[in-house]
Amino acid sequence: AQSVTQPDIHITVSEGASLELRCNYSYGATPYLFWYVQSPGQGLQLLLKYFSGDTLVQGIKGFEAEFKRSQSSFNLRKPSVHWSDAAEYFCAVGGTGGYNKLIFGAGTRLAVHP
Amino acid sequence: AAGVIQSPRHLIKEKRETATLKCYPIPRHDTVYWYQQGPGQDPQFLISFYEKMQSDKGSIPDRFSAQQFSDYHSELNMSSLELGDSALYFCASSLRAGGSNQPQHFGDGTRLSIL
Repeated sequence: AQSVTQPDIHITVSEGASLELRCNYSYGATPYLFWYVQSPGQGLQLLLKYFSGDTLVQGIKGFEAEFKRSQSSFNLRKPSVHWSDAAEYFCAVGGTGGYNKLIFGAGTRLAVHP
Repeated sequence: AAGVIQSPRHLIKEKRETATLKCYPIPRHDTVYWYQQGPGQDPQFLISFYEKMQSDKGSIPDRFSAQQFSDYHSELNMSSLELGDSALYFCASSLRAGGSNQPQHFGDGTRLSIL
């Protein structure tokens, strides 16, 4: 069955510190992987996506993610966190073509201390 | 750039009432998806449409129906509303034609509250 696991429900980091949010997926075919960010009461904004090619993908707001097929992981990273990064982060997997339904992880809520 | 537009942003209904949520996709996008996000939950896929035909169906209750119109906008119709239907309902759109690997772009959602 297709699934996404985000092991960390809450993460707190200090402003300026580095960040890594974990995501593991289970998918029978070639996965299309995404990271979305959601501020309270807001919609989902696409941070980055992986379809194929280079396994290290760059996104908006200084985020990057690395696809590791051997570990079924797609972890999100940022070298220096800003207070405005506080939000909920969702990892999602979709099917071939990118037009299939998305399956989301449970989300990781990020808090940033000044 | 134009984004996905959802209306209304907030909706308050009572049990057993009906509700209609509207979604206007990004111009030239041909595929629309509906998701439901309960409080503190991740978004759950409900249904999708491509070129006005239903393309996939998820955990959508029989009380709900949806369609995509000739101008590609979509409506989610909900009847016999229950307290458990209180949630944030997202619409997303993408371009599928020509094998385009475009990701889904989400609207800001409609927050539905059932009293």
